[in-house]
Amino acid sequence: EDQVTQSPEALRLQEGESSSLNCSYTVSGLRGLFWYRQDPGKGPEFLFTLYSAGEEKEKERLKATLTKKESFLHITAPKPEDSATYLCAVPYNTDKLIFGTGTRLQVFP
Amino acid sequence: DVKVTQSSRYLVKRTGEKVFLECVQDMDHENMFWYRQDPGLGLRLIYFSYDVKMKEKGDIPEGYSVSREKKERFSLILESASTNQTSMYLCASSRPWGGQGYEQYFGPGTRLTVT
Repeated sequence: EDQVTQSPEALRLQEGESSSLNCSYTVSGLRGLFWYRQDPGKGPEFLFTLYSAGEEKEKERLKATLTKKESFLHITAPKPEDSATYLCAVPYNTDKLIFGTGTRLQVFP
Repeated sequence: DVKVTQSSRYLVKRTGEKVFLECVQDMDHENMFWYRQDPGLGLRLIYFSYDVKMKEKGDIPEGYSVSREKKERFSLILESASTNQTSMYLCASSRPWGGQGYEQYFGPGTRLTVT
């Protein structure tokens, strides 16, 4: 069964304390992996798509990487405004996505 | 800039009422989706439409129906609202898969409360 698992469920960081979020997946024939950011009470905001193992994408303090079994979202020197829930998703069965349940990140000043 | 809009941010309805949630996208996307999001359960697909008048059931279609009469508009209908349909409803749109650029873009969400 296709599955996406994110860890940890929650992460508390001090401002400037770098860390990584994990997204592991079991899906046959990976066609890409997506990362989203979601603020409380709002819709998910698209961040990155990774299409193949070895690919990396960066945006400000965020860097996403992909292997054959998992993806990491590295957060370098985070700021309080990076606090949000980060979701990953993979495609399955034509154009649908299966989402992980997310990592809730809190960054304290 | 890509844009998906939803008709209401907050909605309060009574049990048994018929509820319409509207979604409009301005990106000329073929695909449109309705999800619900609940704490601990994540995003779950209710219905998917890949073209005008075409639809496909998602993982949790029971109690819902959809309508897509125009490419840019996708409606979710709760025929007879129940308290277990209290949730955050999210609409999304995307291009069909064809190599690259098929990420989904989401609207702001509708927080529906059924009392």
